[in-house]
Amino acid sequence: GNSVTQMEGPVTLSEEAFLTINCTYTATGYPSLFWYVQYPGEGLQLLLKATKADDKGSNKGFEATYRKETTSFHLEKGSVQVSDSAVYFCALVGPYNQGGKLIFGQGTELSVKP
Amino acid sequence: KAGVTQTPRYLIKTRGQQVTLSCSPISGHRSVSWYQQTPGQGLQFLFEYFSETQRNKGNFPGRFSGRQFSNSRSEMNVSTLELGDSALYLCASSRTTGRDEQYFGPGTRLTVT
Repeated sequence: GNSVTQMEGPVTLSEEAFLTINCTYTATGYPSLFWYVQYPGEGLQLLLKATKADDKGSNKGFEATYRKETTSFHLEKGSVQVSDSAVYFCALVGPYNQGGKLIFGQGTELSVKP
Repeated sequence: KAGVTQTPRYLIKTRGQQVTLSCSPISGHRSVSWYQQTPGQGLQFLFEYFSETQRNKGNFPGRFSGRQFSNSRSEMNVSTLELGDSALYLCASSRTTGRDEQYFGPGTRLTVT
């Protein structure tokens, strides 16, 4: 079945450091890929998405590229801020009538120190 | 435009009881999905409703059920509560049942004692 694997956390960075959170997936066909962020005590917020190979999703300085050849969707940001501290989830929706069913990775906790 | 709203935000129940959670989607959104979030199992899909019909279902026992109304509002019900049902229950809405992005509510924190 479809699945998502993320790098384990927690990840601790200093402010203005470069961020990479690895995400790889297993899916039949061409899934849509998403990154969501969850701040403490809140629900999930959509950060970015990509729907086909080589698409680059971007938002608020974060970006991720849909790599079909490596089945990856790594999240990057050039300079993190303390306010980026949160849990980040990679997710996919499979093709073939799987609409509405997000499959999530286990989440990666990011802590940014001033 | 108002976001997804969920009520109640917090709930404490006793084993064996049942509970109903409510979700109001973003205006114009017709699909509602439900997820359970726990520290051990992470985020797991429960079910999805579109136009009052269940379109997809996750691997949860029959004690978990849901429905959707004609105004797209949705409810989920858990009967005969178990301690393991303690979780954050998240609702998400999207415009269609395709691969549109889903927008999440703040969740309902259910504690079973």
